[in-house]
Amino acid sequence: QSALTQPASVSGSPGQSITISCTGTSSDVGGYNYVSWYQQHPGKAPKLMIYEVSNRPSGVSNRFSGSKSGNTASLTISGLQAEDEADYYCSSYTSSSTPGVFGTGTKVTVL
Amino acid sequence: QITLKESGPTLVKPTQTLTLTCTFSGFSLSTSGVGVGWIRQPPGKALEWLALIYWDDDKRYSPSLKSRLTITKDTSKNQVVLTMTNMDPVDTATYYCAHRWGPLVDYWGQGTLVTVSS
Repeated sequence: QSALTQPASVSGSPGQSITISCTGTSSDVGGYNYVSWYQQHPGKAPKLMIYEVSNRPSGVSNRFSGSKSGNTASLTISGLQAEDEADYYCSSYTSSSTPGVFGTGTKVTVL
Repeated sequence: QITLKESGPTLVKPTQTLTLTCTFSGFSLSTSGVGVGWIRQPPGKALEWLALIYWDDDKRYSPSLKSRLTITKDTSKNQVVLTMTNMDPVDTATYYCAHRWGPLVDYWGQGTLVTVSS
């Protein structure tokens, strides 16, 4: 099971919007609406930000939104803030018998 | 409130077997649809699925590590145990356990750093 492909880094200025892509295959991202996104600050456990492609858990800012087209999912952060600087990982359910698959991770830098 | 906490050795020698325990609260591993999984993260690297066990004892393993992994549950103790044999320095990582509801991982433990060194 190969990892989902994400850009290594994305940056933006405060107030701007950025988008992180997550590319998989028809056996994972493209085949199911079970894509999740996690935010991870240094030394901390990942935090769920988006589930089922575009749903936000309670307490997550509406500046975070998700979408999917074909085999690629995307996470958009609007109104970028300093606290958004972190690593972001996508994850997908997969048709294989494996537990699942994560993305390669994207470091978001707020300039 | 769902919480999970990993416990086990912080240092293991090459070729040894690692045993990690995940102790959880706020949910039952006998509830339909619920699972507990193990995920690791080498320093500076990405998250990687290791193993997952469901309420019905269905078990899933990473294909590349399957021969080295065993996951078990003790529902009465609210614990899930992961064993990994033949540890190598490349297995140095933070190991997380996590709650899974169907296809979704929604709660994570704080993680435990395991270093493999002689």
